[in-house]
Amino acid sequence: GAGVSQSPRYKVAKRGQDVALRCDPISGHVSLFWYQQALGQGPEFLTYFQNEAQLDKSGLPSDRFFAERPEGSVSTLKIQRTQQEDSAVYLCASSLETGIYGYTFGSGTRLTVV
Amino acid sequence: DQQVKQNSPSLSVQEGRISILNCDYTNSMFDYFLWYKKYPAEGPTFLISISSIKDKNEDGRFTVFLNKSAKHLSLHIVPSQPGDSAVYFCAASGNYGGSQGNLIFGKGTKLSVKP
Repeated sequence: GAGVSQSPRYKVAKRGQDVALRCDPISGHVSLFWYQQALGQGPEFLTYFQNEAQLDKSGLPSDRFFAERPEGSVSTLKIQRTQQEDSAVYLCASSLETGIYGYTFGSGTRLTVV
Repeated sequence: DQQVKQNSPSLSVQEGRISILNCDYTNSMFDYFLWYKKYPAEGPTFLISISSIKDKNEDGRFTVFLNKSAKHLSLHIVPSQPGDSAVYFCAASGNYGGSQGNLIFGKGTKLSVKP
């Protein structure tokens, strides 16, 4: 597609529920990033893929967070047993090559945990 | 401990005048800096960047200045237009232990350009 597509745009989850957030990067983009943006804050790095390899997951806040990109294109961020502090906008970004910093963000998924 | 700081949460400027957005950083290992622009309900959009080997980069109405000794950068928009009204994020990257492409963002500055 023309841009990075994320779904759903909005998700309301009850505390303790598992959620899965999807990212469709720009076709052919090698690098894929997940960021978390809390209200009033800048985006914070969660994890990074180069093709299907997860090269950095140092930003994942707990072992309840898991990301995958099995075929090197679509990626899923899964959050198990959601907590209220998980409420945020989750942004996905992709870039054509490794080391290209001006990458393209999707519109994000706003997760609200009630 | 914030490594990238945008100390002004908001800025209001008259159309046609200059907008100056400021950003400070603490980590001397950062070697690449970017500005992103964000409209409500959209993802951030890359605007302009600068490498630490330069002190200025210009792209149309947008100029970024880097002062490495002061660990400070600024984004100048001249002339400002109402369509520039958005939240502007400063971001940094480099060989500080993060993976390549991992950006550290500031909290953002909301720019309002009045007609």
